[in-house]
Amino acid sequence: DAGVIQSPRHEVTEMGQEVTLRCKPISGHNSLFWYRQTMMRGLELLIYFNNNVPIDDSGMPEDRFSAKMPNASFSTLKIQPSEPRDSAVYFCASNLGPGELFFGEGSRLTVL
Amino acid sequence: GENVEQHPSTLSVQEGDSAVIKCTYSDSASNYFPWYKQELGKGPQLIIDIRSNVGEKKDQRIAVTLNKTAKHFSLHITETQPEDSAVYFCARRFDDYKLSFGAGTTVTVRA
Repeated sequence: DAGVIQSPRHEVTEMGQEVTLRCKPISGHNSLFWYRQTMMRGLELLIYFNNNVPIDDSGMPEDRFSAKMPNASFSTLKIQPSEPRDSAVYFCASNLGPGELFFGEGSRLTVL
Repeated sequence: GENVEQHPSTLSVQEGDSAVIKCTYSDSASNYFPWYKQELGKGPQLIIDIRSNVGEKKDQRIAVTLNKTAKHFSLHITETQPEDSAVYFCARRFDDYKLSFGAGTTVTVRA
């Protein structure tokens, strides 16, 4: 099993640029989560999809953030325009029903 | 509320000694309490979990205890080894799918 696959692993960009993070969940999993990890706030849930439908986006910081899941094997998290305070590690995770949550290795974003 | 309080924030132990991390919560509706281990540059990985109808669960050198009345749960690592050095997160599930994570404990095992 390849696990949850995220890309890019590292992204350095300048303030104002668009950032797109990508995720491929584990095959067969029906739930997908995007988390953000920072020293100050720890692990925060940004958005939750079930069967490709966004169920809870209450954790999305503001309108600059958007997420899509066009099919069961792909999701994107987009930040436009990016700001230095968006610098963090973004994790994608997936599971099947209430089962174990599997995390990807994360995308480290640095906005200069 | 949704928060989980985790203590201590850092823990240094001698190899072979035990490590204990404690978490408390306030929402009595929580029924699932996982523990995650995060190594440098990697995503969190589930190491053990416990459900609310169980008081204790063990897996080799790792054990978790749950006191639902007092609303706290603990992770116990016995006979610690250098590879146990990592950041450990407790969590609780609420609203059927959301996990609320503790702030993490950085464990360092001294050789």
